[in-house]
Amino acid sequence: GQSLEQPSEVTAVEGAIVQINCTYQTSGFYGLSWYQQHDGGAPTFLSYNGLDGLEETGRFSSFLSRSDSYGYLLLQELQMKDSASYFCAVRNRGGSQGNLIFGKGTKLSVKP
Amino acid sequence: SQTIHQWPATLVQPVGSPLSLECTVEGTSNPNLYWYRQAAGRGLQLLFYSVGIGQISSEVPQNLSASRPQDRQFILSSKKLLLSDSGFYLCAWSTSSGANVLTFGAGSRLTVL
Repeated sequence: GQSLEQPSEVTAVEGAIVQINCTYQTSGFYGLSWYQQHDGGAPTFLSYNGLDGLEETGRFSSFLSRSDSYGYLLLQELQMKDSASYFCAVRNRGGSQGNLIFGKGTKLSVKP
Repeated sequence: SQTIHQWPATLVQPVGSPLSLECTVEGTSNPNLYWYRQAAGRGLQLLFYSVGIGQISSEVPQNLSASRPQDRQFILSSKKLLLSDSGFYLCAWSTSSGANVLTFGAGSRLTVL
């Protein structure tokens, strides 16, 4: 089977740093992505890791270790607007047939 | 620039009634198209994806079907809705080579009573 595991909820205070972990078990692996979804809204793309290492985009960073089937999303200088659900997703096939399998999401609550 | 439109935004349907959700993409050609469903407080479940006109792949056998009559049009249908079909339905597109980056429509919230 295919599965992605991430914590269901995380709480942090404004200005802090939070790390959301994701472990995966899939039939194929062609990259790990992260998406943000505010309540009632649609998911939006945050970052992508195709190779091991850290990718940085402003206050957000994402890390991948393919040997450990593990990745994380790091959010720095947390702001109230970062309160949302965060999903990791794995592309399980290559080429034009690839599609994303999503985790169940981590609900991040940022407190003042 | 590319845009994705999805409608209707909300609908309430009785059990046993038909369903049609429509999604169109503008500003790109030959996109990969996807239908996802999100149950309340849950993750996104891939229902169907399409890499071209008339090419539909089903990820989860169920009461739903999808069609792609035109390059940038993707339709999700059901002949008879079940209570368990309630949820938030999301259409998305990606380039054929960039399937890690999905752009989602605003979603359609379906309640089956």
